[in-house]
Parts: sequence; structure tokens; C-alpha cells
Amino acid sequence: GENVEQHPSTLSVQEGDSAVIKCTYSDSASNYFPWYKQELGKRPQLIIDIRSNVGEKKDQRIAVTLNKTAKHFSLHITETQPEDSAVYFCAVYTNAGKSTFGDGTTLTVKP
Amino acid sequence: EADIYQTPRYLVIGTGKKITLECSQTMGHDKMYWYQQDPGMELHLIHYSYGVNSTEKGDLSSESTVSRIRTEHFPLTLESARPSHTSQYLCASSEYGDGTDTQYFGPGTRLTVL
Repeated sequence: GENVEQHPSTLSVQEGDSAVIKCTYSDSASNYFPWYKQELGKRPQLIIDIRSNVGEKKDQRIAVTLNKTAKHFSLHITETQPEDSAVYFCAVYTNAGKSTFGDGTTLTVKP
Repeated sequence: EADIYQTPRYLVIGTGKKITLECSQTMGHDKMYWYQQDPGMELHLIHYSYGVNSTEKGDLSSESTVSRIRTEHFPLTLESARPSHTSQYLCASSEYGDGTDTQYFGPGTRLTVL
């Protein structure tokens, strides 16, 4: 089955700095790569996603890049703010019908 | 408003009791999931369903069972609760067949077994 590794497991940055979280996957047939944000005590929610036919996607301060050859994709958050503090999960989906989630990254943005 | 609902939100129960965690969605989605998650930790898939009368076991072995008799309803049952079942249980749903798997999560049920 699919194997997804997410790094780092914890990340601490100063407000205004950038944060990068990376996920690697094993199944070359994977074709959909979402990122979810889970704030403390809340449910995970989709923040950005990318399909396999696209190399990069941006939405205001967040962006996702995909390298299909190397089988990795990354979440980039610029100009971080305290409200960006949360646990972030990547996921990988193939047409086999099931998503595999990474183990999560706890991001702390220090004011 | 389309959403996914879970009840109860909190449950404290004694060892050996039978419990059912309810999950309903008004999103019109075919696929539904149950995850077990300790606070701030990994999401462990325990059950999923492609549609009515479809149920599959997930990656994490679980003593729970599920049923899918109606599209919008996906309850999870524990026949005999144990302290090791103490955790948060998240239900989710997604479209099936559109080439993506964006999952929409419910608010969760926090279960404590004494």
C-alpha cells in the first residue's frame, strides 16, 4: 500500500517567517494531494490541494508544490501569523479509492 | 447548510458497556470514514465505506463495527467498551469518482472509558 512520510513532526517559527512542511509518498499512481489544518480542539479542514497534472498552486499566503518525479510535495506558508499555529496533515490519494494521511506536523508561530 | 454531524460530542462510560457513535452527513457524499485520533496526533483510519451496504476495515485494527444502511448515516458500534478505547473518534465524508478525495470532517466524539 501507499506509504506517506511527513517532516518535520514539529516546527517552531517566529511570526513573519516562512514555514515549509514536506511529504514523500511511494505510489507513483497517486494523483491527488490535499493539505489539512487542524486547530486545537477543532476538526481537520482542507486548506489547499493539488492534482498530479499541476506543479504548483498558490492561495494567498499558502502554496503547495509537487515533484512527481521525486514523489514529494510541500506546503509553504509565508508571513506566518499566530493563527497559523495548528497541526497540519498531508494526504495522498490514488484511484484505488483510499487516501493515506501523513502523521502530522505541529506548527507553532511565536509572536 | 450541508454539514457532517456527530453525536454525542462527549461520552464517559464504564467498561463493558455497548456504545454507538452516530455520524450523519447532509453533503450528499457516497464515501464515509471513521478515524481514531488522540489529541494532536495521527489520524488512524479504522473503517470506511464507498456507499450503501459497503464497509471496509481501515489500516488500524479496531474492535468496533460499522454499518451503512442509508447513504447519509454511518454509525460505529463498540460491543464492549474498554479503557484502551478512550480516544477521539472523527467521522468524515467525501465524493466518490471525481478523481479527488477531499474529506470533510465532523466535530468528533471524545470517548472516555472508565
